[in-house]
Amino acid sequence: QVQLVQSGSEVQRPGASVKVSCKASGYTFSSHAINWVRQAPGQGLEWMGWISVFNGNTIYAQKFQGRVTLTTDTSTNTAYMDLRSLKSDDTAMYYCARDRDSSGYHFDNWGQGTLVTVSS
Amino acid sequence: DIQMTQSPSTLSASVGDRVTITCRASQRISTWLAWYQHKPGTAPKLLIYRASRLESGVPSRFSGSGSGTEFTLTISSLQPDDFATYYCQQYDRYASFGPGTKLEIK
Repeated sequence: QVQLVQSGSEVQRPGASVKVSCKASGYTFSSHAINWVRQAPGQGLEWMGWISVFNGNTIYAQKFQGRVTLTTDTSTNTAYMDLRSLKSDDTAMYYCARDRDSSGYHFDNWGQGTLVTVSS
Repeated sequence: DIQMTQSPSTLSASVGDRVTITCRASQRISTWLAWYQHKPGTAPKLLIYRASRLESGVPSRFSGSGSGTEFTLTISSLQPDDFATYYCQQYDRYASFGPGTKLEIK
């Protein structure tokens, strides 16, 4: 069965960076793009960006342009989200999510979430 | 950017009720719309894609309709497991979510 398993919780200081991993199994990794979505406490879902595992192309939500980098490692079937210059309002649960199909940007399988806390 | 709105923001209902949630897009998105169910401490779950297509494994009491700018999610007979927050999401141009509708037990 398809599984996306994310790395564990993180606590970071303001101004620092965080890198969250998402290891895929149960399907051909390169056949589905990976997205990242976050949910701040008490807030809704917010899409951050998309990466094609096939060719490494990326698209970032305007809000995160210049501060986030999405990458993949096809040798380990792992996707990564790197968020820099952290602020307190980056405290959130971060999810990786697989594109359902080639239409893109809608998500049939999700990781379990990684809680990132930004605090001094 | 395409903005999504949902109504109501909170809905109180009883087991067995038929409920409908409305989602509106700030511009026409054809049928590029998905619905998700989200429970605390779990990952969101895809229910409906292309506005009306039921994701595999999702009970048939869930249905979606609409096109253009107005969409609905209907649960025909609420079950105890259905109390959750529901989000619509457009994917006509990248992705953006509605603010969510919290479905509570009356």
